[in-house]
Amino acid sequence: GNSVTQMEGPVTLSEEAFLTINCTYTATGYPSLFWYVQYPGEGLQLLLKATKADDKGSNKGFEATYRKETTSFHLEKGSVQVSDSAVYFCASFLMEYGNKLVFGAGTILRVKS
Amino acid sequence: EPEVTQTPSHQVTQMGQEVILRCVPISNHLYFYWYRQILGQKVEFLVSFYNNEISEKSEIFDDQFSVERPDGSNFTLKIRSTKLEDSAMYFCASSVRRTGDGYTFGSGTRLTVV
Repeated sequence: GNSVTQMEGPVTLSEEAFLTINCTYTATGYPSLFWYVQYPGEGLQLLLKATKADDKGSNKGFEATYRKETTSFHLEKGSVQVSDSAVYFCASFLMEYGNKLVFGAGTILRVKS
Repeated sequence: EPEVTQTPSHQVTQMGQEVILRCVPISNHLYFYWYRQILGQKVEFLVSFYNNEISEKSEIFDDQFSVERPDGSNFTLKIRSTKLEDSAMYFCASSVRRTGDGYTFGSGTRLTVV
């Protein structure tokens, strides 16, 4: 089937540290891949996406590259800020499995000043 | 920027009671969804709705669940007889297309069944 696994949290970093949140997918085919972010008290917001192998999605200093060979879509940011503290969800979409996003469990990121 | 609005933000109900979770999707969106997240677990798909009918549902969406778009603006999720394990955060979403992107999510309703 279509599934997503992401690293468990919480991840606690100091401001300006480098961030990596791992995400791998399992699918028969090539899904579209997404990172969503949920800030406290808000809904899920699309952060970035990639629709085919080797695509790089980027937004707000975050980036992730669609790696077919490792079935991964790791989220990275070179220098995190306190305002990046949130829950990050990796998700995939493959029409063959229906019109629905498949999410990982979410990773809590806490950034300390 | 257009928003998906969910009410209430938090609902506490007794086991066996019926609850209705409400959502107002974005007005020009055509596809509507409910997802839920049990604390510490994955965000799970429940149901999708298009053209006034359910287009897809998951195994979780059993006979205790129903959805409705009663008036062309609201999109509701009803749980007929709540169980303790229904306690979760419920997210509504809408989209213009069925391509996986362009989803707009609401901020969720936290349902606590006691």
